[in-house]
Amino acid sequence: QQQVKQSPQSLIVQKGGISIINCAYENTAFDYFPWYQQFPGKGPALLIAIRPDVSEKKEGRFTISFNKSAKQFSLHIMDSQPGDSATYFCAATFGRFNKFYFGSGTKLNVKP
Amino acid sequence: NAGVTQTPKFQVLKTGQSMTLQCAQDMNHNSMYWYRQDPGMGLRLIYYSASEGTTDKGEVPNGYNVSRLNKREFSLRLESAAPSQTSVYFCASSEVGGLAIGEQFFGPGTRLTVL
Repeated sequence: QQQVKQSPQSLIVQKGGISIINCAYENTAFDYFPWYQQFPGKGPALLIAIRPDVSEKKEGRFTISFNKSAKQFSLHIMDSQPGDSATYFCAATFGRFNKFYFGSGTKLNVKP
Repeated sequence: NAGVTQTPKFQVLKTGQSMTLQCAQDMNHNSMYWYRQDPGMGLRLIYYSASEGTTDKGEVPNGYNVSRLNKREFSLRLESAAPSQTSVYFCASSEVGGLAIGEQFFGPGTRLTVL
């Protein structure tokens, strides 16, 4: 049973548009929610992360929105660019040992 | 700094063969992890090592063994490969301590095919 559910599986956005990827979780013990970006043939790399004590975190064009009561969080990519085309994974963890539970991934294609 | 390195990059095995995937990190991290990535399944944790000398099972440990050889190296062994183990394998490392949650740094992956 997947601990973190991610949608959509794939996403096509025009250049300059907003990309939105959603994740939901059940385990209320989770206390750290990172997003990873993966380009073809590469390992995932941390993009942005949030803790549940804030509802939003913004880094450049990337924003995480967090809804603790709904147990949902989402990644917004503003002014999407072709270079953002990649697979994005949400994840969640708790405790000391960084056992991350990943979502199933969203393949983003930004059309020029 | 090379970060996290993995060998080999590609491997083809026949059912029943064995092999070891190697991983090394030069960031002096305490914790290391092995994941497998399958289409539509995301990344699933196979085993992890919170510190040198310790290893623990993750979500999908069956059919695998691990060795934390020293602080730098963490290997994954398939004793008798099965087609269901066809996947891309990623090693990761992080610094975990106190209340901090460390970023996980991933290697480039090993693409394994079992025929």
